[in-house]
Amino acid sequence: NAGVTQTPKFRILKIGQSMTLQCTQDMNHNYMYWYRQDPGMGLKLIYYSVGAGITDKGEVPNGYNVSRSTTEDFPLRLELAAPSQTSVYFCASNLDRSNTGELFFGEGSRLTVL
Amino acid sequence: AQSVTQLDSQVPVFEEAPVELRCNYSSSVSVYLFWYVQYPNQGLQLLLKYLSGSTLVESINGFEAEFNKSQTSFHLRKPSVHISDTAEYFCAVSGGFKTIFGAGTRLFVKA
Repeated sequence: NAGVTQTPKFRILKIGQSMTLQCTQDMNHNYMYWYRQDPGMGLKLIYYSVGAGITDKGEVPNGYNVSRSTTEDFPLRLELAAPSQTSVYFCASNLDRSNTGELFFGEGSRLTVL
Repeated sequence: AQSVTQLDSQVPVFEEAPVELRCNYSSSVSVYLFWYVQYPNQGLQLLLKYLSGSTLVESINGFEAEFNKSQTSFHLRKPSVHISDTAEYFCAVSGGFKTIFGAGTRLFVKA
Protein backbone atom coordinates (compact mmCIF):
# COMPACT_ATOMS: atom_id res chain seq x y z
CA ASN A 1 0.00 0.00 0.00
CA ALA A 2 2.03 2.97 -1.27
CA GLY A 3 -0.31 5.84 -0.20
CA VAL A 4 1.10 9.21 -1.25
CA THR A 5 4.45 9.10 -3.02
CA GLN A 6 6.63 12.14 -3.65
CA THR A 7 9.74 12.44 -5.78
CA PRO A 8 12.46 13.55 -5.50
CA LYS A 9 13.18 13.46 -1.77
CA PHE A 10 16.03 15.97 -2.07
CA ARG A 11 17.01 18.47 -4.72
CA ILE A 12 19.39 21.40 -5.03
CA LEU A 13 18.57 24.03 -7.65
CA LYS A 14 20.34 27.12 -8.87
CA ILE A 15 18.49 30.41 -8.97
CA GLY A 16 16.40 30.65 -12.13
CA GLN A 17 16.23 26.92 -12.80
CA SER A 18 12.92 25.14 -13.10
CA MET A 19 11.77 21.79 -11.83
CA THR A 20 8.72 19.68 -11.10
CA LEU A 21 7.95 17.93 -7.83
CA GLN A 22 6.00 14.79 -8.51
CA CYS A 23 3.15 13.49 -6.36
CA THR A 24 1.04 10.42 -6.92
CA GLN A 25 -1.51 8.63 -4.76
CA ASP A 26 -3.05 5.21 -5.16
CA MET A 27 -6.04 5.65 -2.84
CA ASN A 28 -8.43 7.07 -5.46
CA HIS A 29 -8.69 10.31 -3.48
CA ASN A 30 -10.32 13.25 -5.24
CA TYR A 31 -8.72 15.95 -3.11
CA MET A 32 -5.01 16.68 -3.30
CA TYR A 33 -2.89 19.44 -1.79
CA TRP A 34 0.59 20.92 -1.87
CA TYR A 35 1.99 22.47 1.31
CA ARG A 36 5.35 23.99 2.10
CA GLN A 37 6.84 23.76 5.56
CA ASP A 38 9.26 26.37 6.88
CA PRO A 39 10.74 26.38 10.41
CA GLY A 40 8.43 28.07 12.90
CA MET A 41 5.83 28.75 10.22
CA GLY A 42 3.96 25.48 10.12
CA LEU A 43 2.47 24.33 6.83
CA LYS A 44 1.25 26.80 4.24
CA LEU A 45 -1.13 25.70 1.49
CA ILE A 46 0.25 26.40 -2.00
CA TYR A 47 -2.36 24.86 -4.31
CA TYR A 48 -5.10 22.32 -4.06
CA SER A 49 -7.29 20.27 -6.38
CA VAL A 50 -10.76 18.83 -5.85
CA GLY A 51 -10.59 16.52 -8.84
CA ALA A 52 -9.04 15.93 -12.23
CA GLY A 53 -8.96 19.13 -14.25
CA ILE A 54 -9.77 21.38 -11.26
CA THR A 55 -7.15 23.33 -9.30
CA ASP A 56 -7.19 26.41 -7.11
CA LYS A 57 -4.77 28.66 -5.25
CA GLY A 58 -4.02 28.32 -1.58
CA GLU A 59 -2.34 30.79 0.77
CA VAL A 60 1.06 31.08 -0.99
CA PRO A 61 0.70 30.26 -4.72
CA ASN A 62 3.15 32.80 -6.19
CA GLY A 63 6.04 31.20 -8.06
CA TYR A 64 4.31 27.84 -8.44
CA ASN A 65 2.02 26.10 -10.88
CA VAL A 66 0.08 22.86 -10.74
CA SER A 67 -1.92 20.60 -13.01
CA ARG A 68 -4.26 17.68 -12.39
CA SER A 69 -4.75 15.63 -15.51
CA THR A 70 -5.53 12.39 -13.63
CA THR A 71 -6.96 11.50 -10.23
CA GLU A 72 -3.64 9.96 -9.19
CA ASP A 73 -1.12 12.68 -10.06
CA PHE A 74 -0.70 16.26 -8.86
CA PRO A 75 2.69 17.70 -9.90
CA LEU A 76 3.98 21.03 -8.58
CA ARG A 77 6.09 23.12 -10.93
CA LEU A 78 8.60 25.82 -10.02
CA GLU A 79 9.34 27.89 -13.11
CA LEU A 80 12.08 30.28 -11.92
CA ALA A 81 13.53 29.03 -8.67
CA ALA A 82 14.31 31.65 -6.02
CA PRO A 83 16.05 31.30 -2.63
CA SER A 84 12.70 32.04 -0.95
CA GLN A 85 11.44 28.72 -2.31
CA THR A 86 13.95 26.78 -0.22
CA SER A 87 11.62 24.66 1.89
CA VAL A 88 10.24 21.21 2.54
CA TYR A 89 7.27 20.44 0.31
CA PHE A 90 4.52 18.04 1.27
CA CYS A 91 1.84 16.57 -0.94
CA ALA A 92 -1.34 15.32 0.73
CA SER A 93 -4.62 13.76 -0.28
CA ASN A 94 -8.08 13.38 1.21
CA LEU A 95 -11.04 11.26 0.19
CA ASP A 96 -13.75 13.07 2.08
CA ARG A 97 -15.75 15.72 0.21
CA SER A 98 -16.59 17.54 3.43
CA ASN A 99 -12.92 17.49 4.49
CA THR A 100 -13.73 15.83 7.79
CA GLY A 101 -11.41 13.00 7.02
CA GLU A 102 -7.74 12.44 7.51
CA LEU A 103 -5.16 14.07 5.28
CA PHE A 104 -2.62 11.52 4.06
CA PHE A 105 0.85 12.98 3.59
CA GLY A 106 3.83 12.00 1.53
CA GLU A 107 7.27 11.93 3.13
CA GLY A 108 8.23 15.31 1.76
CA SER A 109 10.63 16.80 -0.77
CA ARG A 110 13.45 18.97 0.57
CA LEU A 111 14.36 21.67 -1.92
CA THR A 112 17.32 24.02 -1.64
CA VAL A 113 17.75 26.95 -4.02
CA LEU A 114 21.24 28.45 -4.14
CA ALA B 1 -11.36 32.73 6.77
CA GLN B 2 -9.86 30.41 9.34
CA SER B 3 -6.69 30.69 11.37
CA VAL B 4 -4.91 28.58 13.95
CA THR B 5 -2.61 29.77 16.72
CA GLN B 6 -0.38 27.41 18.65
CA LEU B 7 0.72 29.29 21.69
CA ASP B 8 3.99 27.49 22.38
CA SER B 9 6.71 26.89 19.83
CA GLN B 10 8.64 24.50 22.08
CA VAL B 11 7.67 22.51 25.15
CA PRO B 12 10.40 20.67 27.07
CA VAL B 13 9.13 18.18 29.65
CA PHE B 14 10.53 15.32 31.70
CA GLU B 15 9.51 11.74 31.00
CA GLU B 16 6.34 10.63 32.85
CA ALA B 17 5.29 14.25 33.47
CA PRO B 18 1.97 15.60 32.12
CA VAL B 19 1.93 17.93 29.14
CA GLU B 20 -0.51 20.33 27.49
CA LEU B 21 -0.04 21.76 24.00
CA ARG B 22 -2.25 24.75 23.43
CA CYS B 23 -4.23 25.57 20.29
CA ASN B 24 -6.70 28.36 19.56
CA TYR B 25 -8.56 28.85 16.33
CA SER B 26 -10.78 31.41 14.67
CA SER B 27 -13.40 30.83 12.03
CA SER B 28 -16.59 32.41 10.78
CA VAL B 29 -18.09 29.00 9.98
CA SER B 30 -18.33 25.65 11.68
CA VAL B 31 -15.06 23.79 11.51
CA TYR B 32 -13.50 20.45 12.16
CA LEU B 33 -10.41 20.28 14.34
CA PHE B 34 -7.38 18.02 14.14
CA TRP B 35 -4.05 17.30 15.76
CA TYR B 36 -1.29 15.88 13.59
CA VAL B 37 2.13 14.60 14.70
CA GLN B 38 5.36 14.74 12.72
CA TYR B 39 8.34 12.59 13.65
CA PRO B 40 11.77 13.61 12.33
CA ASN B 41 12.16 13.38 8.55
CA GLN B 42 8.61 12.10 8.07
CA GLY B 43 5.31 13.45 6.85
CA LEU B 44 2.45 14.33 9.17
CA GLN B 45 0.18 11.67 10.67
CA LEU B 46 -3.26 12.18 12.14
CA LEU B 47 -3.28 11.94 15.94
CA LEU B 48 -6.93 12.71 16.67
CA LYS B 49 -9.85 14.76 15.41
CA TYR B 50 -13.02 16.46 16.55
CA LEU B 51 -15.98 16.50 14.18
CA SER B 52 -19.04 16.64 16.43
CA GLY B 53 -20.55 15.04 19.51
CA SER B 54 -18.47 14.53 22.63
CA THR B 55 -16.07 17.42 23.10
CA LEU B 56 -13.34 15.14 24.47
CA VAL B 57 -11.55 13.01 21.91
CA GLU B 58 -8.78 10.49 22.48
CA SER B 59 -5.98 8.90 20.49
CA ILE B 60 -4.78 5.31 20.73
CA ASN B 61 -1.50 6.32 22.37
CA GLY B 62 -2.90 8.22 25.36
CA PHE B 63 -3.31 11.75 24.03
CA GLU B 64 -6.61 13.56 24.38
CA ALA B 65 -7.96 16.92 23.25
CA GLU B 66 -10.98 18.90 24.34
CA PHE B 67 -12.99 21.13 22.06
CA ASN B 68 -14.07 24.30 23.83
CA LYS B 69 -16.35 26.34 21.60
CA SER B 70 -16.68 29.33 23.91
CA GLN B 71 -12.91 29.70 24.18
CA THR B 72 -12.30 28.56 20.58
CA SER B 73 -9.64 26.18 21.82
CA PHE B 74 -8.60 22.60 21.15
CA HIS B 75 -5.75 21.89 23.58
CA LEU B 76 -3.89 18.58 23.46
CA ARG B 77 -2.99 16.79 26.69
CA LYS B 78 -1.26 13.66 27.88
CA PRO B 79 -1.07 12.70 31.57
CA SER B 80 2.32 10.96 31.30
CA VAL B 81 4.68 11.39 28.35
CA HIS B 82 7.30 9.00 27.00
CA ILE B 83 10.58 9.64 25.26
CA SER B 84 8.95 8.35 22.07
CA ASP B 85 6.45 11.25 22.16
CA THR B 86 9.24 13.61 21.14
CA ALA B 87 7.98 15.12 17.88
CA GLU B 88 6.37 18.20 16.41
CA TYR B 89 2.63 18.57 16.86
CA PHE B 90 0.36 20.56 14.59
CA CYS B 91 -3.14 21.77 15.29
CA ALA B 92 -5.30 22.13 12.18
CA VAL B 93 -8.74 23.36 11.24
CA SER B 94 -10.77 22.51 8.17
CA GLY B 95 -13.90 23.98 6.71
CA GLY B 96 -14.75 23.43 3.11
CA PHE B 97 -11.94 22.21 0.90
CA LYS B 98 -8.95 23.54 2.79
CA THR B 99 -7.14 22.50 5.93
CA ILE B 100 -5.18 25.25 7.68
CA PHE B 101 -2.33 24.39 10.06
CA GLY B 102 -0.82 26.14 13.03
CA ALA B 103 2.90 26.87 13.26
CA GLY B 104 3.56 23.72 15.27
CA THR B 105 4.77 22.92 18.79
CA ARG B 106 7.95 20.96 19.25
CA LEU B 107 7.59 18.59 22.21
CA PHE B 108 10.90 17.48 23.66
CA VAL B 109 10.72 14.75 26.29
CA LYS B 110 13.78 14.47 28.51
CA ALA B 111 14.86 11.40 30.49
